[in-house]
Amino acid sequence: RKEVEQDPGPFNVPEGATVAFNCTYSNSASQSFFWYRQDCRKEPKLLMSVYSSGNEDGRFTAQLNRASQYISLLIRDSKLSDSATYLCVVDDYGQNFVFGPGTRLSVLP
Amino acid sequence: EPEVTQTPSHQVTQMGQEVILRCVPISNHLYFYWYRQILGQKVEFLVSFYNNEISEKSEIFDDQFSVERPDGSNFTLKIRSTKLEDSAMYFCASSDAAGGPGEQFFGPGTRLTVL
Repeated sequence: RKEVEQDPGPFNVPEGATVAFNCTYSNSASQSFFWYRQDCRKEPKLLMSVYSSGNEDGRFTAQLNRASQYISLLIRDSKLSDSATYLCVVDDYGQNFVFGPGTRLSVLP
Repeated sequence: EPEVTQTPSHQVTQMGQEVILRCVPISNHLYFYWYRQILGQKVEFLVSFYNNEISEKSEIFDDQFSVERPDGSNFTLKIRSTKLEDSAMYFCASSDAAGGPGEQFFGPGTRLTVL
């Protein structure tokens, strides 16, 4: 069974803090990796794709370690608006995505 | 910015009734998906659709479920005889990636409540 695991949190951090989330996946054949964010009772929204070399988009940095089957997301200078659930998403070498259970982040004033 | 739309936003039905959930994917996208999310649980894949046929389906997508693209714009999910455990948020998604699951864009979802 193909699984994606995440620490459910919640992570409660003050504004301006740096926070990191981790994710592990079981299918070594997976080729595509993403971070989505989901606000309460809303749809998942793409935050960023994760590339083998690592990639950065403003305050967000994603890393992939294929050998360890591990993905990370780093958020710098947290804003109140970053409060959400962060979903690690991995393809199962087919057409569909496997979602992790999500990590809940609360950024506090 | 183009977006995926879904109707209705909320559907309440009696157990045993048929429901049809509707989605309009982004217009130039080729791959279409249905997911569900039971309250408090993770998002689960149901089915993917490409070139007018099902590409993959999960164990959840049993004989009670079907999908259709009746015209050039709509993509529907039908549940023939709803059960209490079908109560969930149903998300439609689409992507334009050829050859693999590229970035998928999700609609706002339909909340299905089965009484």
